[in-house]
Amino acid sequence: SQKIEQNSEALNIQEGKTATLTCNYTNYSPAYLQWYRQDPGRGPVFLLLIRENEKEKRKERLKVTFDTTLKQSLFHITASQPADSATYLCALDMYGASGGSYIPTFGRGTSLIVHP
Amino acid sequence: SQTIHQWPATLVQPVGSPLSLECTVEGTSNPNLYWYRQAAGRGLQLLFYSVGIGQISSEVPQNLSASRPQDRQFILSSKKLLLSDSGFYLCAWSITDNQPQHFGDGTRLSIL
Repeated sequence: SQKIEQNSEALNIQEGKTATLTCNYTNYSPAYLQWYRQDPGRGPVFLLLIRENEKEKRKERLKVTFDTTLKQSLFHITASQPADSATYLCALDMYGASGGSYIPTFGRGTSLIVHP
Repeated sequence: SQTIHQWPATLVQPVGSPLSLECTVEGTSNPNLYWYRQAAGRGLQLLFYSVGIGQISSEVPQNLSASRPQDRQFILSSKKLLLSDSGFYLCAWSITDNQPQHFGDGTRLSIL
């Protein structure tokens, strides 16, 4: 079955630097991959979606890459700020076990801590 | 704009008691609806999803059930709670498959 791997260790960086988070997956390449931000005690918030035929997607200080050969997505935050501190989740589609729909499956997330 | 409401925010229940968590969505029609559970230090586990009224799909066998009595209402229930049902329960909606999901603020459920 498809597995999603995100670094379980927190990423600590200094304010102003670029944060890079990794999402690796096994088996088949999904049609799309998504990144979410989750703050403690809150629901995840959607950030970016990238499709399999897209190599890179940008939104303000965020950039996502998708390498189907390496089976990997990288999530970058440039000019990081303490307010960017949160857990970042990647999700990819899997065909539902009991139904005819594609269901996002989430990784466990990586905690990012930006120090002032 | 679309909004999603989930309540209650926190709930403490004894083992063996029933459960009903409600989620409603506003500002959209015929959304896909989802229930997730997030245990401490673990990822989001999909419990149920629904693509329409009365249509429920379960991804994992469990002590819980879900219902969708109205287009924008999704209910998570249990007849008898177990200690293992503790966790952070999240409801989400999306326009359709392969689209971003929008989450509620979750319910923190503690079983005593």
